[in-house]
Amino acid sequence: ELKVEQNPLFLSMQEGKNYTIYCNYSTTSDRLYWYRQDPGKSLESLFVLLSNGAVKQEGRLMASLDTKARLSTLHITAAVHDLSATYFCAVLTGTASKLTFGTGTRLQVTL
Amino acid sequence: GAGVSQSPSNKVTEKGKDVELRCDPISGHTALYWYRQSLGQGLEFLIYFQGNSAPDKSGLPSDRFSAERTGGSVSTLTIQRTQQEDSAVYLCASSPSHRVQYFGAGTRLSVL
Repeated sequence: ELKVEQNPLFLSMQEGKNYTIYCNYSTTSDRLYWYRQDPGKSLESLFVLLSNGAVKQEGRLMASLDTKARLSTLHITAAVHDLSATYFCAVLTGTASKLTFGTGTRLQVTL
Repeated sequence: GAGVSQSPSNKVTEKGKDVELRCDPISGHTALYWYRQSLGQGLEFLIYFQGNSAPDKSGLPSDRFSAERTGGSVSTLTIQRTQQEDSAVYLCASSPSHRVQYFGAGTRLSVL
């Protein structure tokens, strides 16, 4: 059974600081996704990572994928309050292409 | 509409009643998914549709849960004889192929 683990589960950080969220998964996968969820809202797609060594950046967020280590990271640079949300990684598996989600990391950026 | 639409946004029901949750995917998206988000279990896959057929129903937690899709578009998730443990947010997603899945805002189900 595929397991997807994220850490940390909760992260409180000050504005301006850098930090990394980690996503480990237990089996090979074609694709890895990062989603953002604001309280009471749905999931917003952030990044799709398709191959080993893939790196994508959008604003203060950068995601990378190491398929050999079965590890993806989401790096936050110079955090701002607007980044406060819960971040999920998700691994695409199977012929149905269903997503298996990590536990989520709740990010709180304090002023 | 521009995005995935789900209705109702909130549903409160009594234990033992049946409920129907609706999903309107993005026009032209052939793949449709149902997920469930709850505090104890996180985000879980329920069922996948390709067109009107459901090749993967492996996530449905019991035979009280069923879903259908008609016209390659609208999907309905039905929960019969609801139980308190069914309380969760039910999310629908659609995709033009096996690529990014676009999620609706969800239906928050509360079973009293």
